[in-house]
Amino acid sequence: DTAVSQTPKYLVTQMGNDKSIKCEQNLGHDTMYWYKQDSKKFLKIMFSYNNKELIINETVPNRFSPKSPDKAHLNLHINSLELGDSAVYFCASSLPPDTEAFFGQGTRLTVV
Amino acid sequence: AQTVTQSQPEMSVQEAETVTLSCTYDTSENNYYLFWYKQPPSRQMILVIRQEAYKQQNATENRFSVNFQKAAKSFSLKISDSQLGDTAMYFCAFYSSNTGKLIFGQGTTLQVKP
Repeated sequence: DTAVSQTPKYLVTQMGNDKSIKCEQNLGHDTMYWYKQDSKKFLKIMFSYNNKELIINETVPNRFSPKSPDKAHLNLHINSLELGDSAVYFCASSLPPDTEAFFGQGTRLTVV
Repeated sequence: AQTVTQSQPEMSVQEAETVTLSCTYDTSENNYYLFWYKQPPSRQMILVIRQEAYKQQNATENRFSVNFQKAAKSFSLKISDSQLGDTAMYFCAFYSSNTGKLIFGQGTTLQVKP
């Protein structure tokens, strides 16, 4: 059983399109995150939800909108995709404070 | 704001030897957690080791151990008896109990040579 699963693993799309990445965790964790890993492999936190409530919203363009229908799911919707959005997006979950964050396998988004 | 710095972009080590990866962080908090994650070419993020700031004893997991210096805000990872499968990017991470934020350093690419 996959603990944190993201779909799709790969996503190629044209500039200007709108796309969504889905994330589900079956660990019963309260907190879920979205991270962006750029071409230099730097991992930057984007959002964090705790029990469906947004608790961290870093300086992310408002074209990015997370949605948490329940505490097991945290989806990421991106409007009007730009070339600079090309990256690997990771979903993660944890049960703070003393347990590890479990990561999904990442979604490689390529905007052409 | 908390920051995590890994000053070694790339390192290499011969198989079976020992290597140490450096990490420093900046925080004014007293209650926090530190982690090392490994990202092999498969892209999967894997937890290597975890350290609670309130514990003085350095964490150890098999061939992996840390040198946690709280006053110096330093958290280095030592890999003993390096194996080819240790080849990966290693990230140091800081979790703030106050903000609920898990932030990462820039990463160190480790190459284990046969």
